[in-house]
Amino acid sequence: QQPVQSPQAVILREGEDAVINCSSSKALYSVHWYRQKHGEAPVFLMILLKGGEQKGHEKISASFNEKKQQSSLYLTASQLSYSGTYFCGTETTDSWGKLQFGAGTQVVVTP
Amino acid sequence: GAGVSQSPSNKVTEKGKDVELRCDPISGHTALYWYRQSLGQGLEFLIYFQGNSAPDKSGLPSDRFSAERTGGSVSTLTIQRTQQEDSAVYLCASSPQRASTYEQYFGPGTRLTVT
Repeated sequence: QQPVQSPQAVILREGEDAVINCSSSKALYSVHWYRQKHGEAPVFLMILLKGGEQKGHEKISASFNEKKQQSSLYLTASQLSYSGTYFCGTETTDSWGKLQFGAGTQVVVTP
Repeated sequence: GAGVSQSPSNKVTEKGKDVELRCDPISGHTALYWYRQSLGQGLEFLIYFQGNSAPDKSGLPSDRFSAERTGGSVSTLTIQRTQQEDSAVYLCASSPQRASTYEQYFGPGTRLTVT
């Protein structure tokens, strides 16, 4: 039930791009993305809904492939502040309202 | 406005003791979630409250874990006869309604250490 995230970790230089993937074995209703910095609570980034609606921060982009039950988060022109652990949370069509989170992708952006 | 608050921030307890962790959600939020995060791990779903509906307890790891939400607001997570594997950060989150179209606002967490 837990979604699978890849890669587990990525190291970037400022200005580089990266993609984080989230894959589920079950049909999805929504995918949520959060970022957690060390010692802090997770912070909301984006929600992607079945049917194409998205809610989130303008500087973050993501995609949701309903047929493949996958979502990708795009880190473009990365900044030092993008460092942290990124989690996807998936809401399946048979379990509304509840999110199962992946194991996380650790992102380190270096100068 | 005030965010989600949790208390205590840190709790050290001896194996076998009971502990209570408290969560004060954002006022007006009908959905409340508890998660557990072990060191370096992801967020493990424990329990979900939505309004006056029966809670979804499907993530509770054993019958030593229980939670209640009084008056649709404050929630308490109770762990009985604590074990060393219960050591983790326990995070509470609230949301205006169920998760689908609303972000979850997380509290700072309670770090539980069982010795």
